[in-house]
Amino acid sequence: AQTVTQSQPEMSVQEAETVTLSCTYDTSESDYYLFWYKQPPSRQMILVIRQEAYKQQNATENRFSVNFQKAAKSFSLKISDSQLGDAAMYFCAYRTARGGATNKLIFGTGTLLAVQP
Amino acid sequence: DVKVTQSSRYLVKRTGEKVFLECVQDMDHENMFWYRQDPGLGLRLIYFSYDVKMKEKGDIPEGYSVSREKKERFSLILESASTNQTSMYLCASSPDRWGNGYTFGSGTRLTVV
Repeated sequence: AQTVTQSQPEMSVQEAETVTLSCTYDTSESDYYLFWYKQPPSRQMILVIRQEAYKQQNATENRFSVNFQKAAKSFSLKISDSQLGDAAMYFCAYRTARGGATNKLIFGTGTLLAVQP
Repeated sequence: DVKVTQSSRYLVKRTGEKVFLECVQDMDHENMFWYRQDPGLGLRLIYFSYDVKMKEKGDIPEGYSVSREKKERFSLILESASTNQTSMYLCASSPDRWGNGYTFGSGTRLTVV
């Protein structure tokens, strides 16, 4: 079974600085998708970034980028120029590309990011 | 914008009550999901549905059931609420079975006393 591990329960960053959140996963599959979700205090889960495993190029979305290391099964999120609005819980998630009824999202336990002014 | 609406933001129920959590999505998505979120445990899948009247157990289905009579609505039912079901419940939907992410509702924080 696939698992997702986030080893940093809490992180802190100064405003305008860069922070990296770690995520590792375990799977025997070769084709899958990886996601980072943000959950601010409003509780609304927001998709931050998505990576397809067959693409070697790391995904980027404005100030958010990932470092995808397929062989190492690592998928870290880098937030550049951190802003107060980035303060939230961040979840890493995995989804198989096989399709069918079993392709649920599997989540890590989350990293709570604080942004200091 | 795709919208997933959960009927209650906060709910307090008594032990033994039958509890209904409602979720509605407005984008004709095939797949709908119910997760519970607990500190230190992340999100755990309770049930999901990939079509009307179809349902599949997730990782922690015990004590729960679901209903999907219409495509846009997916209900989570706690047959007899217990204190260990005090949690945040998140509903989500997805357009297909492939690599798209989910759209989530804002969650229902349920307290069972």
